[in-house]
Amino acid sequence: AQKITQTQPGMFVQEKEAVTLDCTYDTSDQSYGLFWYKQPSSGEMIFLIYQGSYDEQNATEGRYSLNFQKARKSANLVISASQLGDSAMYFCAMREGADYKLSFGAGTTVTVRA
Amino acid sequence: EAGVAQSPRYKIIEKRQSVAFWCNPISGHATLYWYQQILGQGPKLLIQFQNNGVVDDSQLPKDRFSAERLKGVDSTLKIQPAKLEDSAVYLCASSLVGDYNQPQHFGDGTRLSIL
Repeated sequence: AQKITQTQPGMFVQEKEAVTLDCTYDTSDQSYGLFWYKQPSSGEMIFLIYQGSYDEQNATEGRYSLNFQKARKSANLVISASQLGDSAMYFCAMREGADYKLSFGAGTTVTVRA
Repeated sequence: EAGVAQSPRYKIIEKRQSVAFWCNPISGHATLYWYQQILGQGPKLLIQFQNNGVVDDSQLPKDRFSAERLKGVDSTLKIQPAKLEDSAVYLCASSLVGDYNQPQHFGDGTRLSIL
């Protein structure tokens, strides 16, 4: 079974608007962490934001925020005030239990239009 | 601080040839990971080291792939012989241990094309 599901293969967003990228996860561990990474066309993976399973508040980092709904097992990324430089592939990933390795989703391509 | 260094950036070989990739993690990062990312997919873990010991190599195709981290710092991933389906980007990442919320930091990757 897929541990991380990202159902949106591609999205278009107008510059300065907000966009929400969906991520659902599957785990039986009580302790886990959720990460979002950005991968521009140049290929590097850039860490954006982290949410721990015991964190009560939704994580925020600048223009990035995470809408964490534990009961629904979803961890959606919200990018506010989109910029042209936000055009990239975005990956949701999970770390479970005592493991440090990450399981990645298939990714969502975001294209920001001027 | 310097990031994760990988080389080469690109490699083109013919099937059945061998190839090696090198990775130098961020200084002080005890854990090192190799991922394979096939076009259009998310990265898949091949092998995880902590210092110079293997923690997880359950998804490494051991008949053709090998990896080592002899002194607990830099690492080499080798493919011998290469198959067409090995065409992918090979990403190296490193992280600290101890803090569960510590992200993995990735290198720029090596893009491998098999002809």
